[in-house]
Amino acid sequence: DTGVSQNPRHKITKRGQNVTFRCDPISEHNRLYWYRQTLGQGPEFLTYFQNEAQLEKSRLLSDRFSAERPKGSFSTLEIQRTEQGDSAMYLCASSLEFYGYTFGSGTRLTVV
Amino acid sequence: KQEVTQIPAALSVPEGENLVLNCSFTDSAIYNLQWFRQDPGKGLTSLLLIQSSQREQTSGRLNASLDKSSGRSTLYIAASQPGDSATYLCAAHTRGNEKLTFGTGTRLTIIP
Repeated sequence: DTGVSQNPRHKITKRGQNVTFRCDPISEHNRLYWYRQTLGQGPEFLTYFQNEAQLEKSRLLSDRFSAERPKGSFSTLEIQRTEQGDSAMYLCASSLEFYGYTFGSGTRLTVV
Repeated sequence: KQEVTQIPAALSVPEGENLVLNCSFTDSAIYNLQWFRQDPGKGLTSLLLIQSSQREQTSGRLNASLDKSSGRSTLYIAASQPGDSATYLCAAHTRGNEKLTFGTGTRLTIIP
């Protein structure tokens, strides 16, 4: 297993466009998390899946954001009608119960 | 609500010195505390995970300690090297809460 994989690594989009990011967790991990990080800040929690069920969403996750994890495997995070304030690093992590998180390399989104 | 603080925000030390990074948290009811390294524009790399029942963990030149009663953790780096230059983040996994709470990090620069 090569760890948590995120694609794409970078995405530049025009304001108003929709974007989708993908995360492939470590295969035996049942928990998957999305975080967002802006420059100079620590990552902030967005949402969490246990297997295929989305169990918690942050208030940061407006109705323009949606996340899925079909069949409890990979996950996608979609942002509709992107705004400049959405520019950030989007990080995915997975874990097996409470035994520590493994993060991916992140997707850097730039909205122009 | 868990709050995690890292002081200082930035630190510069000459190569070869030993150093300590500090992390404090407000809610001692944690499953574990995790230290991460982040290089510019990259994702998070896990360095050490300390479970709530443990006092310290060691990996190579790194040693992390945990004192739940005082709400503190430290990351000790021995014999620092220029390759240690990065931002170091600590994160608390609070009981009854599925998300990690991160500090804002300490940006470490090792001067050759």
